Amino acid sequence: DAKTTQPPSMDCAEGRAANLPCNHSTISGNEYVYWYRQIHSQGPQYIIHGLKNNETNEMASLIITEDRKSSTLILPHATLRDTAVYYCIVRVQSGSARQLTFGSGTQLTVLP
Amino acid sequence: EAGVAQSPRYKIIEKRQSVAFWCNPISGHATLYWYQQILGQGPKLLIQFQNNGVVDDSQLPKDRFSAERLKGVDSTLKIQPAKLEDSAVYLCASSLVLGTAQYFGPGTRLTVT
Repeated sequence: DAKTTQPPSMDCAEGRAANLPCNHSTISGNEYVYWYRQIHSQGPQYIIHGLKNNETNEMASLIITEDRKSSTLILPHATLRDTAVYYCIVRVQSGSARQLTFGSGTQLTVLP
Repeated sequence: EAGVAQSPRYKIIEKRQSVAFWCNPISGHATLYWYQQILGQGPKLLIQFQNNGVVDDSQLPKDRFSAERLKGVDSTLKIQPAKLEDSAVYLCASSLVLGTAQYFGPGTRLTVT
């Protein structure tokens, strides 16, 4: 699976949009971009995933560049409860035995 | 819908002792995963099952770690004997089928003294 690069930490003001970047310049055509987050002392939580089109769900939006070499996770109105480590992972989807490979992620701190 | 259940939540043992962790995945999920997360690092996959068969256990230290999912539902992960470096959070996750989104339990925090 392709490797990802994320900033180690970011701050965001409560109520503002949090934009978390991820670089995956070696992504293959059949690899999806997945985002998970891990709130302190909890297990990771699935947020969203996409292949090449932008995706939106009740938690977040995922913007993938046209060349698919980078993506941005957007939390439109960050709250204090969004403080967590956010992991960007790229991997082949269904039918593959390949594991999720978690990097170090981005520690997002939402400030009051 | 109930999430992934794990027990115990915390465990403290001395080195060379044995320990077992239990996981109950989301109902209907065929794939089950065990991860180890050392403090300050991302989770690392130890083993994954598809129903009751092992799909990947390449990163499981088989001299001391074992896991089973006999009936394709619940799973147990065992460490025997434990070492100091096994201190970590052990996470269980499940997914509908291989390759789809994984849903994690709260984890078991193991401290080996």
